[in-house]
Amino acid sequence: SQQGEEDPQALSIQEGENATMNCSYKTSINNLQWYRQNSGRGLVHLILIRSNEREKHSGRLRVTLDTSKKSSSLLITASRAADTASYFCAQKSAGSNYKLTFGKGTLLTVNP
Amino acid sequence: DGGITQSPKYLFRKEGQNVTLSCEQNLNHDAMYWYRQDPGQGLRLIYYSQIVNDFQKGDIAEGYSVSREKKESFPLTVTSAQKNPTAFYLCASSILEGGRYNEQFFGPGTRLTVL
Repeated sequence: SQQGEEDPQALSIQEGENATMNCSYKTSINNLQWYRQNSGRGLVHLILIRSNEREKHSGRLRVTLDTSKKSSSLLITASRAADTASYFCAQKSAGSNYKLTFGKGTLLTVNP
Repeated sequence: DGGITQSPKYLFRKEGQNVTLSCEQNLNHDAMYWYRQDPGQGLRLIYYSQIVNDFQKGDIAEGYSVSREKKESFPLTVTSAQKNPTAFYLCASSILEGGRYNEQFFGPGTRLTVL
């Protein structure tokens, strides 16, 4: 399977704390994307990082990419109860124009 | 409002029946996708289409069929040949930018249950 893996599978924190989720993948990538899914809903795109980038920020989100280790991390700072959701990484493989390969996701619970 | 709509939100099917899930977008996106999501799992690609009247199989196309007669519409038919169809189905679209498709925009999903 080319599917990546998120770690941890589940994470529970208190409001105001930071949350870090990790993603590992197996093949060379063109870019890596992070998505959020609220329970029973569709996915929402959060951030895209290209293979030649090492770090990217968007509001309270910080994404890093280490292509030598085939891994990425998503940091959410100063978490809020509204951040409770599942978070997925998705890799666009080098040489593929269309296909995203999704991991199984990390379920983040932020307790008020 | 621009976006992707899927209908119905919930769908119940008896064994042996074909059912069609609707997906419409008004984003003027070229590419459209169908994914299946099982509990605790990531998304698996069923079919995708880059232009009208053309589509390709994804990783789990067996038991499914699609059509792309209009740019805005990409319906998915779950046939009786699909042995385990109970799942959450998500439609997505993306726009071609600089020769590549990047972020995907998702609809709200259809939950299909086989009775």
